Amino acid sequence: QQQVKQSPQSLIVQKGGISIINCAYENTAFDYFPWYQQFPGKGPALLIAIRPDVSEKKEGRFTISFNKSAKQFSLHIMDSQPGDSATYFCAASMRFPGGNQFYFGTGTSLTVIP
Amino acid sequence: DADVTQTPRNRITKTGKRIMLECSQTKGHDRMYWYRQDPGLGLRLIYYSFDVKDINKGEISDGYSVSRQAQAKFSLSLESAIPNQTALYFCATMRSGTYNEQFFGPGTRLTVL
Repeated sequence: QQQVKQSPQSLIVQKGGISIINCAYENTAFDYFPWYQQFPGKGPALLIAIRPDVSEKKEGRFTISFNKSAKQFSLHIMDSQPGDSATYFCAASMRFPGGNQFYFGTGTSLTVIP
Repeated sequence: DADVTQTPRNRITKTGKRIMLECSQTKGHDRMYWYRQDPGLGLRLIYYSFDVKDINKGEISDGYSVSRQAQAKFSLSLESAIPNQTALYFCATMRSGTYNEQFFGPGTRLTVL
């Protein structure tokens, strides 16, 4: 059972447009929600992350919106650029004695057309 | 940036063979993870280790085993490889503490014929 559901599977956006990727979860024990960016042939790399005590976090052109009551969070990429073309994964983390365990969404392949 | 390295980067093997994937890190992190990535399924956790003496099963540990030889080394073994273990495998490390970043290696592409 997928702990974190991500949509859409793929997304094509014109340069300068807004890219929006959505994720949803059920387990209220999750307390940390990172987004990872992966380029072909590379491992995922942390892009931006949020904790559930805030509703929005912005870093440059990237914004996470978090809706705790709906158990949903989304990534917004403003002024999308061809260099943003990559696969994006949302994730959710919960704490266990001694550490954290992460659950990832299924990924969204973003293509930004020049 | 070679802080997290994985060997081999590509491997083709046959059904029934034993294979080991290795991960090394120079970041000094105590937590290490093994994931597999499949198209449409995202990243799924196989095993994780919070320190040298700690090994835990993840979501999909069946058919896999791990060894934490040192703080810097975490190996994943497939005792008897099968075709549905064909996937991209990633090692990740993380510093202890809450809300920290996971750092991923470059991945190993494994094909089981």
